[in-house]
Amino acid sequence: QKEVEQDPGPLSVPEGAIVSLNCTYSNSAFQYFMWYRQYSRKGPELLMYTYSSGNKEDGRFTAQVDKSSKYISLFIRDSQPSDSATYLCAIGGSSNTGKLIFGQGTTLQVKP
Amino acid sequence: GAVVSQHPSRVICKSGTSVKIECRSLDFQATTMFWYRQFPKQSLMLMATSNEGSKATYEQGVEKDKFLINHASLTLSTLTVTSAHPEDSSFYICSASVQGEEAFFGQGTRLTVV
Repeated sequence: QKEVEQDPGPLSVPEGAIVSLNCTYSNSAFQYFMWYRQYSRKGPELLMYTYSSGNKEDGRFTAQVDKSSKYISLFIRDSQPSDSATYLCAIGGSSNTGKLIFGQGTTLQVKP
Repeated sequence: GAVVSQHPSRVICKSGTSVKIECRSLDFQATTMFWYRQFPKQSLMLMATSNEGSKATYEQGVEKDKFLINHASLTLSTLTVTSAHPEDSSFYICSASVQGEEAFFGQGTRLTVV
């Protein structure tokens, strides 16, 4: 079993739709949960960063962590064509030293 | 956020030659730098962790003699792919962090070995 599982998609939605992206993980010791966005041939950029459980909102983006289920989600409201990218979940251990385990990434396409 | 610069962004080299990739933290001092590798349509896989002034820690299955990492200063880490072969062709990405803080990623280097 992989430490982090993420459906690679692709996921295609119309502009304005609500997008739900998800990952599951296996090790309950993980404490740091991130979502990165990666455009083609570019390095990943951090979107959301959550420590432990709970929700975090930033503009159109909401990250949720359910540690009891080992399940993390990223919601994108009012999706835009510019949101088309690959979204990677990443988890970190008990101390966030930047050593991360990444999911496979979900490719999202938002059609105008 | 902080800026991490990676150079070159793209490189093509002949099989058997060595290639050096630089990772610089431009506006902060990075105590730790990480090197990842990403194959097409796959996720980032951590190759090694380097702390300034000490030897890098390699992940299982990564050949330390093939992927030489030097972290000589708090703003620069280099990855040298020695005796490159076509199977080493990949997207290499570095990240830099200050201990206990988030990591910032470089823009990546696409290596093609012909």
